[in-house]
Amino acid sequence: EAQVTQNPRYLITVTGKKLTVTCSQNMNHEYMSWYRQDPGLGLRQIYYSMNVEVTDKGDVPEGYKVSRKEKRNFPLILESPSPNQTSLYFCASSPPLSGPYNEQFFGPGTRLTVL
Amino acid sequence: SQKIEQNSEALNIQEGKTATLTCNYTNYSPAYLQWYRQDPGRGPVFLLLIRENEKEKRKERLKVTFDTTLKQSLFHITASQPADSATYLCALYRRGNNLFFGTGTRLTVIP
Repeated sequence: EAQVTQNPRYLITVTGKKLTVTCSQNMNHEYMSWYRQDPGLGLRQIYYSMNVEVTDKGDVPEGYKVSRKEKRNFPLILESPSPNQTSLYFCASSPPLSGPYNEQFFGPGTRLTVL
Repeated sequence: SQKIEQNSEALNIQEGKTATLTCNYTNYSPAYLQWYRQDPGRGPVFLLLIRENEKEKRKERLKVTFDTTLKQSLFHITASQPADSATYLCALYRRGNNLFFGTGTRLTVIP
């Protein structure tokens, strides 16, 4: 089944404890992206990647890191999480050679709480 | 920066009626506009894409219009059903940039 998977789905952590949220897609998509969704603010892009080893900042990149060593994986890293990073996170991917202007396939989401 | 407004946070309509959701944008003209459906606790699901040179797009009971003069897109669901109840998001793509999402409209179709 074609899909985007994220792990973990739920995570409660404490301030300052490094964490990684994994994202993997099995559709051979080149473009991948991370979003956070907060009430009243909608989906905001954190980072995106046009291809392997190519990443760039979105609208709200502060406090986050990403890497793209393989086409299928795009992990989101929080080196020192803070309570304002409590949010619902989504990973998304797009078909080859189309970037963000074609349909995005979203993962199921990761609900992160930072205490 | 790009600003996107969806007409209301919540919209209630009677089953069988046509639901009309609005997406207004400011500052820049998008090259593409997309609509997504999001159910509680799930990721958004793509529904339709309309390009800047297109006026209207249809898919089954869904219709999207795009008016670059008014800077507005309308999303219609005809013969609405309770199963259409969800939050609907519009998203704009501007050339050389990425997708910007609106905050969504929560649609409830009342049986």
